[in-house]
Amino acid sequence: DVLMTQTPVSLPVSLGGQVSISCRSSQSLVHSDGNTYLHWYLQKPGQSPQLLIYRVSNRFSGVPDRFSGSGSGTDFTLKISRVEPEDLGVYYCLQSTHFPWTFGGGTKLELK
Amino acid sequence: QVQLQQSGAELVKPGSSVKISCKASGYTFTSYDMHWIKQQPGNGLEWIGWIYPGNGNTKYNQKFNGKATLTADKSSSTAYMQLSSLTSEDSAVYFCARFEGYYLYYFDYWGQGVMVTVSS
Repeated sequence: DVLMTQTPVSLPVSLGGQVSISCRSSQSLVHSDGNTYLHWYLQKPGQSPQLLIYRVSNRFSGVPDRFSGSGSGTDFTLKISRVEPEDLGVYYCLQSTHFPWTFGGGTKLELK
Repeated sequence: QVQLQQSGAELVKPGSSVKISCKASGYTFTSYDMHWIKQQPGNGLEWIGWIYPGNGNTKYNQKFNGKATLTADKSSSTAYMQLSSLTSEDSAVYFCARFEGYYLYYFDYWGQGVMVTVSS
């Protein structure tokens, strides 16, 4: 299975600040069709995960441009600028290139 | 609007089975794969498998072969997951999630989750 390693595990932030979350995979996430199926989700307390970024860098419908994704191959980053209270929660990366699909262990974004 | 409404929390005994449901609305049920994801308390997310309601085809994470069985009822737009031979390791929240294919390959809508507690 592809191991997805997220760092840091916990990320204290001040409102209005900027943060980055790293997600590294144990093998390349480039699919045989040429696409890279690496996505980012946010799970707020007591809620289901919600899609933020799909295929590395594409914002899902309704996601503010404060969220941006980048990376390639095995190394990916989610950046959040001007952090707002509704951004707090646990962030997960997901790879859907190789079966079985696997999630990162999560990064908890919390207030300093 | 797309909605996935899951059944209520379950308290079940070790060694038994449980069947949880996920009722879809707001889209054509038979046109999208439905996936299932496990989340143990304080832990991350684990992909279980999927079913294509259009023809009943399924694919499982090998880890869940023999543990999870996915079915779907087209007449009621409801997907089901049965978990068998339950142990404490099966205590978790289980989500259903709609899958968007066509070179996108993400889960766009999720159910609210079902908490399954295995205890004697």
